[in-house]
Amino acid sequence: GAVVSQHPSWVICKSGTSVKIECRSLDFQATTMFWYRQFPKQSLMLMATSNEGSKATYEQGVEKDKFLINHASLTLSTLTVTSAHPEDSSFYICSASRSQARLHFGNGTRLTVT
Amino acid sequence: SQQGEEDPQALSIQEGENATMNCSYKTSINNLQWYRQNSGRGLVHLILIRSNEREKHSGRLRVTLDTSKKSSSLLITASRAADTASYFCATEITGANSKLTFGKGITLSVRP
Repeated sequence: GAVVSQHPSWVICKSGTSVKIECRSLDFQATTMFWYRQFPKQSLMLMATSNEGSKATYEQGVEKDKFLINHASLTLSTLTVTSAHPEDSSFYICSASRSQARLHFGNGTRLTVT
Repeated sequence: SQQGEEDPQALSIQEGENATMNCSYKTSINNLQWYRQNSGRGLVHLILIRSNEREKHSGRLRVTLDTSKKSSSLLITASRAADTASYFCATEITGANSKLTFGKGITLSVRP
């Protein structure tokens, strides 16, 4: 089946630094990938839709200058949390759609900003 | 406001029992999907039901969809301890083109 790989699985960084999270579709091409944020025991909140070869579409309330998304190829999207602060600590999950609407999810990245 | 709302928020059952989880939504949809999430992991797709379908089965899973009531149910039969996880319903709103909106999730605990 389709596999989406997300890296790293966890990261701890100091306040003010930037962190890059990668999302790769391993066995299919994904023109669209989605980035979510999840707080403990909460639902997934869609942050942005990553479109290959064009600018990402951000959801209302998500700062595009803070959460930089790049989708340079059909198998890779990256999310960079710039100038991270403790309130950015969260679980970030990417997903990609191969066909028929169902999404394939990465295993998520636990970001802790100290 | 949330598009999908699951009910109950938490469910604890004995191994072997059936687990029924409900989801309600607010707007017209293309399809409704159920996902499972183990603690600290990504989501795994369980089943998709289209707006013109009323019931689907997959192994021990049975999903129903009532578009008139804007609700869906997920039944897990003969539950196992390994079914312990969080379950989310997600809706693809008409015209949203793969963009899903997730409910808050149901925490299922299956006691061995």
